Amino acid sequence: DVKVTQSSRYLVKRTGEKVFLECVQDMDHENMFWYRQDPGLGLRLIYFSYDVKMKEKGDIPEGYSVSREKKERFSLILESASTNQTSMYLCASSLGQGGGKLFFGSGTQLSVL
Amino acid sequence: GNSVTQMEGPVTLSEEAFLTINCTYTATGYPSLFWYVQYPGEGLQLLLKATKADDKGSNKGFEATYRKETTSFHLEKGSVQVSDSAVYFCALISNTGFQKLVFGTGTRLLVSP
Repeated sequence: DVKVTQSSRYLVKRTGEKVFLECVQDMDHENMFWYRQDPGLGLRLIYFSYDVKMKEKGDIPEGYSVSREKKERFSLILESASTNQTSMYLCASSLGQGGGKLFFGSGTQLSVL
Repeated sequence: GNSVTQMEGPVTLSEEAFLTINCTYTATGYPSLFWYVQYPGEGLQLLLKATKADDKGSNKGFEATYRKETTSFHLEKGSVQVSDSAVYFCALISNTGFQKLVFGTGTRLLVSP
C-alpha cells in the first residue's frame, strides 16, 4: 500500500515563527500536493509539484512556500506564521497520470497562538 | 472555473437506513468525478469514481452515477452501518491540462445504532 507520512500529527507554534511541515511518500509518485482543510470550506489547494524542484501555486498560496529537493519529500513552509493559518494541513501524492486518485497522509493539525 | 457543491451536513441516520448525499458540479468539458471519504483521525481515501457520462462508480456498497444532463453525482447506499460515519467529499478533475482535484466542502454522516 502507498504510504504518505506527515511528520507531526499536532503542532503548536507562535505568531511570527517559521514553520516547516514535512511529507514523505514511499511509492515513487511524481505528483505531490499540500491542502488545508477548514470547516465549511472543504479542502483548498495551497501548492503542488509534478516533479523534483518543480512547484506550482494552487488556489491559496499566499503566506506559504514549498520545497521539493527529492522526489519522495515535499515540504510546506510558513515563513511567518499567523493565527489565520491555524488549520488542518493534508499532504497527498499521485502518479503522473493518476487520473485523480490521490493518496493522503493523516494530516497535521497546526495551531498558531 | 470548475466547482463542486455538496449538501450541508451533518446527515444523521439510524443503522440500516438509506443514504443519499447530493453533489452537483460546474465544469467545462468532460470532467471525471469522485467521492472521497475521511474517517475520524485519518486522511482522505478514494471511495469511488466515474470517468464519463452514465458511468456508475461503486465500492463498499456505495454507488454514484455520473449524470451529465443534471451535472450531478449523488452518493447512495442502501443500508448504512455505524462504521460508515465519516466525512464524504465529492470532487472533480478536469481532463485537460494538469490534473488538479477540486473538492466540495464535505458532508458529515453520523450513523447511530
